[in-house]
Amino acid sequence: AAGVIQSPRHLIKEKRETATLKCYPIPRHDTVYWYQQGPGQDPQFLISFYEKMQSDKGSIPDRFSAQQFSDYHSELNMSSLELGDSALYFCASSLGGRAGEQYFGPGTRLTVT
Amino acid sequence: LAKTTQPISMDSYEGQEVNITCSHNNIATNDYITWYQQFPSQGPRFIIQGYKTKVTNEVASLFIPADRKSSTLSLPRVSLSDTAVYYCLVGDNPSGTYKYIFGTGTRLKVLA
Repeated sequence: AAGVIQSPRHLIKEKRETATLKCYPIPRHDTVYWYQQGPGQDPQFLISFYEKMQSDKGSIPDRFSAQQFSDYHSELNMSSLELGDSALYFCASSLGGRAGEQYFGPGTRLTVT
Repeated sequence: LAKTTQPISMDSYEGQEVNITCSHNNIATNDYITWYQQFPSQGPRFIIQGYKTKVTNEVASLFIPADRKSSTLSLPRVSLSDTAVYYCLVGDNPSGTYKYIFGTGTRLKVLA
């Protein structure tokens, strides 16, 4: 079965640079979620979108923004990168908003040097 | 923001049943409880989801008491490949702002 696709899988950036992470949800899923997982930490919820509208907002820094496009894929834009932004970024998708089972992608490992 | 807590670690032997409990005192009224398995550097893998009472699928059971302030994941007859970190995920609604909260994670080690 098709899964959530994330690109790129690995990304290395320098401080103060920008980065864009992409997420392609499971076909027919209408909800996308973004999470950040630092080394040895639990995943932290950043933001979610339902039917291309922002649904819920978590611990997303003001330097980050995200959107969901008409084809339901989503992009997380990160600016003025800091060393502390180095983490695994996961995207998940579900069907039907909050009640849906979230299925996670393989993640993008961002390293900021 | 309420913490969703789990035991830090558990050890078990192959073939045994393992029960992992998650405490989520501030779970949102209409929210489901979902459990995930995570291997190092991989995305969390869906195990089971429930709202109340008991749910069972081909890999696990989920027990949720009436007050829904906790839940217990039951893994029957674990094998070495079940060694992983297990998380519960719930919705929390502090001050009217809905957020998804992962539990603190339980590192399960299955021994031969």
